[in-house]
Amino acid sequence: DAKTTQPPSMDCAEGRAANLPCNHSTISGNEYVYWYRQIHSQGPQYIIHGLKNNETNEMASLIITEDRKSSTLILPHATLRDTAVYYCIVRDGTVGYNFNKFYFGSGTKLNVKP
Amino acid sequence: GAGVSQTPSNKVTEKGKYVELRCDPISGHTALYWYRQSLGQGPEFLIYFQGTGAADDSGLPNDRFFAVRPEGSVSTLKIQRTERGDSAVYLCASSPIGTSDYNEQFFGPGTRLTVL
Repeated sequence: DAKTTQPPSMDCAEGRAANLPCNHSTISGNEYVYWYRQIHSQGPQYIIHGLKNNETNEMASLIITEDRKSSTLILPHATLRDTAVYYCIVRDGTVGYNFNKFYFGSGTKLNVKP
Repeated sequence: GAGVSQTPSNKVTEKGKYVELRCDPISGHTALYWYRQSLGQGPEFLIYFQGTGAADDSGLPNDRFFAVRPEGSVSTLKIQRTERGDSAVYLCASSPIGTSDYNEQFFGPGTRLTVL
């Protein structure tokens, strides 16, 4: 079930901000936006999540548009270790059938270059 | 503390054989998930356990796939009569509780299954 659309790949210079877009135009009012990343040969790693408001933690910032149809993950100062596939996931926030299903999609391969 | 562990890390088997993949979740995590990841694709949901019971097994592709979690901790994914199309990385994840709006799933490194 494709709920999100992401560009297949992006490049970023080391030390610069990486801005990864995600389109989720069919998102409903109780669905959260989650971001995970997967470094080569490792399991996915949680980055951040949000519902309506912008969120920031030690790893990244999440900017969600007012209509919630798109979001941007911002890595403020990308390093070579941030090279990974980044997944934007829309998750049903209502406890029930789809509550614990994450649909990962194909993600965005971020290449951080020296 | 220890994260999610999966064994074996690699499994090579022949078409038609039976395989078992093991997942040790983070201690105290009640929710456990299995995903399958094919080359170049994102993880695909297979099954979710809340405690000992399979709360949602709608992602299992067919009846050759089965998973158990008898004591609410370790889980085993079982695949009968393996086919070449089953070749993938099988990921396990756990989370503290499956009914919170904050559902960070902690993933293991995966088991790479190759069916010859």
